[in-house]
Amino acid sequence: KAGVTQTPRYLIKTRGQQVTLSCSPISGHRSVSWYQQTPGQGLQFLFEYFSETQRNKGNFPGRFSGRQFSNSRSEMNVSTLELGDSALYLCASSLAPGVGSYEQYFGPGTRLTVT
Amino acid sequence: EDQVTQSPEALRLQEGESSSLNCSYTVSGLRGLFWYRQDPGKGPEFLFTLYSAGEEKEKERLKATLTKKESFLHITAPKPEDSATYLCAVQAGNYQLIWGAGTKLIIKP
Repeated sequence: KAGVTQTPRYLIKTRGQQVTLSCSPISGHRSVSWYQQTPGQGLQFLFEYFSETQRNKGNFPGRFSGRQFSNSRSEMNVSTLELGDSALYLCASSLAPGVGSYEQYFGPGTRLTVT
Repeated sequence: EDQVTQSPEALRLQEGESSSLNCSYTVSGLRGLFWYRQDPGKGPEFLFTLYSAGEEKEKERLKATLTKKESFLHITAPKPEDSATYLCAVQAGNYQLIWGAGTKLIIKP
């Protein structure tokens, strides 16, 4: 069974630009969560999508947005990039909220560097 | 306020020296507690799920236990390849996951 895939794996952008990251969950998983991870802040929850609807949202500015498609694939977008947005962005998939076990399985991440 | 605290922040052990990592939590309506292992630059790898106090799970040199207030990840006779950051997450009653900051484990040969 294929794992969670994220593209691109590495990205270098300039301040003020925008970026779109993609995530394909494990087959059969319908919930996708996004996290930002930095050395100083650890794993920070961005948002969770299930059935194309945002279910939960972390404490991030509106520059961070996401969406989920009918095939459960998800994208997240960051507009007007700032230097502080440099981080490892992780996507995690799980079956569905409240359905059996709720383990999340993570992708390899997208390393975003903002210069 | 829901909270998860992991200790210690970092732990250095000699190969073969057993020890435990701690994850203490305060949440409303625990649905599950999860342990993950993360290697540098990679996504966290799922290890265990614990649902109720008294539950234990084992995998190779790792054993996770759960009480009403905390979980322990016991590492028996660790090897250098066990070096990683170990993350704990708790699922609250509203299904939201609360993550600990992690324990960085270094095993010296």
